[in-house]
Amino acid sequence: SQTIHQWPATLVQPVGSPLSLECTVEGTSNPNLYWYRQAAGRGLQLLFYSVGIGQISSEVPQNLSASRPQDRQFILSSKKLLLSDSGFYLCACPRTFSGPYGYTFGSGTRLTVV
Amino acid sequence: GDSVTQMEGPVTLSEEAFLTINCTYTATGYPSLFWYVQYPGEGLQLLLKATKADDKGSNKGFEATYRKETTSFHLEKGSVQVSDSAVYFCALMNAGNMLTFGGGTRLMVKP
Repeated sequence: SQTIHQWPATLVQPVGSPLSLECTVEGTSNPNLYWYRQAAGRGLQLLFYSVGIGQISSEVPQNLSASRPQDRQFILSSKKLLLSDSGFYLCACPRTFSGPYGYTFGSGTRLTVV
Repeated sequence: GDSVTQMEGPVTLSEEAFLTINCTYTATGYPSLFWYVQYPGEGLQLLLKATKADDKGSNKGFEATYRKETTSFHLEKGSVQVSDSAVYFCALMNAGNMLTFGGGTRLMVKP
C-alpha cells in the first residue's frame, strides 16, 4: 500500500530563514505528487503539483518553490520565510488501484514562522 | 473550474445527536466525490467515497450519497460520538486526478 513520509512534523523558524520540507512516497512508482497548505482555521490550498521528475506546476504565486529530484521525492522550499508562510503543509499522491480512490496524505508538517 | 462548497462551521453537537454536513459541488463531467477527516494535529484520512451518481459511500457510521440532480454529497451520521470531533473536508476528483477541496467544517461533539 502507498505510504507518504513527511518530515519534520513540526518546525519553528524565524522570518527570513530558509525552509526545506521533504516528502517521500513508498508503494508506488511515478506518482503525481501534491503540496497543500492549510492556514489556521482555513481550508486546503493546492500549492504545487508534479507529474514527474523535474516537472513542477505552481497553482498560486508565492514565496515558496518545489522540486522533484527523484521519482518518489518531493521537496518544498523557501529562500526567505515570511510570517504568512505559517501553516500546516501536507504532501499527497493519488491512490490509484482499479479506480479513483482519492489521495493518500502524509501526516503533515506544522510550520510556525516567528 | 471545479469547486466544492461546504457549510461553514463550527458545528457543535451533543453526543448521540444526528449529524449533517452539507456539501455541494460544481464540476464538468462526472467527478468522483470524497469525504476526508482530519483529527487534531494529524493529516487527512479518507473517510468515504462515491464514484458515480446514486452511489452511497459509508464508513464508521458515516454515510453520503452522490446526488447528481442536486450536485450534492452531504455527510450524515445517526449518532455522533466525542471521538468524531474533527475537521471534515468534502472533495471531488475529476479527469485530471486533481482533488478539489471544500473549505472544511469543524465538528465539535460535547459529552
